[in-house]
Amino acid sequence: DIQMAQSPFSLSASVGDRVTITCRASQNIRNALNWYQHKPGKAPKLLIYAASTLQSGVPSRFSGSGSGTDFTLTISSLRPEDVASYYCQQSYSIPTFGQGTKVEIK
Amino acid sequence: EVQLVESGGGLVQPGGTLRLSCAASGFSFSDYYMDWVRQAPGKGLEWVGRIRKKPNSDSTDYAASVKGRSTISRDDSKNSVYLQMNSLKSEDTAVYFCVRAPGEGSWLDPWGQGTLVTVSS
Repeated sequence: DIQMAQSPFSLSASVGDRVTITCRASQNIRNALNWYQHKPGKAPKLLIYAASTLQSGVPSRFSGSGSGTDFTLTISSLRPEDVASYYCQQSYSIPTFGQGTKVEIK
Repeated sequence: EVQLVESGGGLVQPGGTLRLSCAASGFSFSDYYMDWVRQAPGKGLEWVGRIRKKPNSDSTDYAASVKGRSTISRDDSKNSVYLQMNSLKSEDTAVYFCVRAPGEGSWLDPWGQGTLVTVSS
């Protein structure tokens, strides 16, 4: 299985801050990388697919980049409603998720 | 509106069996793969398994942690997908999500709200 190493495990940032979450695959997955947002008690939500394509309806402050083994999710200006856990997921082979990043407001 | 609604969760004894259902609506169900993903308390998301669409003969894949004791099936006439898991352990306690996938190598979207399964005596 392809392993996904996501960092940091958690972060605390101020409203308006730029937030970056990274994900590293254990092998080349080209651009088969997706990002999800998960709030407690809710269904996870697809944010970014194919490494950099913004899902319809997702605010433009979210962006994704990377290819091969290294990927990044960026929130350009953190808002209170962005408090959630974020997960990367590779779809190059049998799906696997990163460990998740919990984002909080400082 | 695309909707996925899971049911069948609850308290199950160790060694027992769970059977979850997921009812889909708002899209052409038979045209999609369907996956199950779970989240144990305080843990991250874990992919459980997948059932492909015809004409791939409803082929399935499973995570190593559930392989051999899990079966995913689908009934396209009822727009439903099912997860049966046997020999349940405490570590199978989780919220189980039903998720749609366009096909091989694709993203997972949308997700159901999930159903909680608790394995305990």
